[in-house]
Amino acid sequence: EPEVTQTPSHQVTQMGQEVILRCVPISNHLYFYWYRQILGQKVEFLVSFYNNEISEKSEIFDDQFSVERPDGSNFTLKIRSTKLEDSAMYFCASSEGQGSQPQHFGDGTRLSIL
Amino acid sequence: DQQVKQNSPSLSVQEGRISILNCDYTNSMFDYFLWYKKYPAEGPTFLISISSIKDKNEDGRFTVFLNKSAKHLSLHIVPSQPGDSAVYFCAASGANFGNEKLTFGTGTRLTIIP
Repeated sequence: EPEVTQTPSHQVTQMGQEVILRCVPISNHLYFYWYRQILGQKVEFLVSFYNNEISEKSEIFDDQFSVERPDGSNFTLKIRSTKLEDSAMYFCASSEGQGSQPQHFGDGTRLSIL
Repeated sequence: DQQVKQNSPSLSVQEGRISILNCDYTNSMFDYFLWYKKYPAEGPTFLISISSIKDKNEDGRFTVFLNKSAKHLSLHIVPSQPGDSAVYFCAASGANFGNEKLTFGTGTRLTIIP
């Protein structure tokens, strides 16, 4: 069964450094998303992406965050200057976007900011 | 922001019995509801969904019930199996079905006792 893949599974970065989280969505999906889950808290929406542009973003998704689909398969989330509070699990998701189609999630990247 | 609430953080059920997980929401604009299951170190896995035009959807051992007037949905698992032990998240989105961001509840940890 097709799945969303995310790399790396764990990323450790010094505060202030840039980090790029990578995702390969399911191949025929058109909508892409990033969510995050801080330890002990609920899964929160960050951003959605369709047709090579951001469809919607949350208040969390400030100027330090950006997303890109650099080629036909990858979808990346960049954090320009990481803060301690960016430590979380980051989940990528994708959906077909036609009718009642669910979002499918990757296994996440655990981001630890030191 | 408690738009989607799962008031039971944990639930224990004997193997073979019915598991009932509950979810309440406050935003009347939500139109599409999903249940996800999550094992440790994995991403949320889609289980079952329901749109607001229905009050029940069934898929094998899993049935989701929606009561729009009460803004309440529930997931029934019968019979419960040990492999069902996981954290279950309720999620909701607006009228564009799978295209819109998901708002998650805090999750219920289900433990099936052999």
